Amino acid sequence: EDQVTQSPEALRLQEGESSSLNCSYTVSGLRGLFWYRQDPGKGPEFLFTLYSAGEEKEKERLKATLTKKESFLHITAPKPEDSATYLCAVQAEAAGNKLTFGGGTRVLVKP
Amino acid sequence: EADIYQTPRYLVIGTGKKITLECSQTMGHDKMYWYQQDPGMELHLIHYSYGVNSTEKGDLSSESTVSRIRTEHFPLTLESARPSHTSQYLCASSEYWGTEAFFGQGTRLTVV
Repeated sequence: EDQVTQSPEALRLQEGESSSLNCSYTVSGLRGLFWYRQDPGKGPEFLFTLYSAGEEKEKERLKATLTKKESFLHITAPKPEDSATYLCAVQAEAAGNKLTFGGGTRVLVKP
Repeated sequence: EADIYQTPRYLVIGTGKKITLECSQTMGHDKMYWYQQDPGMELHLIHYSYGVNSTEKGDLSSESTVSRIRTEHFPLTLESARPSHTSQYLCASSEYWGTEAFFGQGTRLTVV
């Protein structure tokens, strides 16, 4: 069965303290790996799509990378407004094209 | 900006009532999804659709049903609401398989 596992579950950072979030996946026929940000009480907000190993995407303080088994979301010099839950999702042809999410990493950035 | 709308945003309803959660998108997307999410917990896929007249069950067993009669509309129905159905329901759509899905703001359902 396809699985998406995120670690750590929670992360407390000081403002400016860079860190990385991990998303491990076991799927066949990956169509895409997606990163989202979710604020409390709201729907997830799309950040990045990655399609193949070696691919990288950047947006402001966030950078996403992809290997054949995992993806990382690097947060460089975070600010308090980066506090949110970060979600990873995969879509695979072998899984009937379901869009499956991991459990998320709750990030808290303290000033 | 994503054009996907869910109504109502909040709903409190008595046990045994029939309810329909509405989801509409104006992007012409073929693929649509329903997720259930309890506070602080992960998103669970309950239904998804390939296109008009095509729906599939997701990973989480659900007593809800869906329909897709029009491309832009993907309602979710609970025939008889129970307290165990209390949760947040999120709708999403994407243009193709492998492209990003855009989410609505969700419906927070409370069954008393």
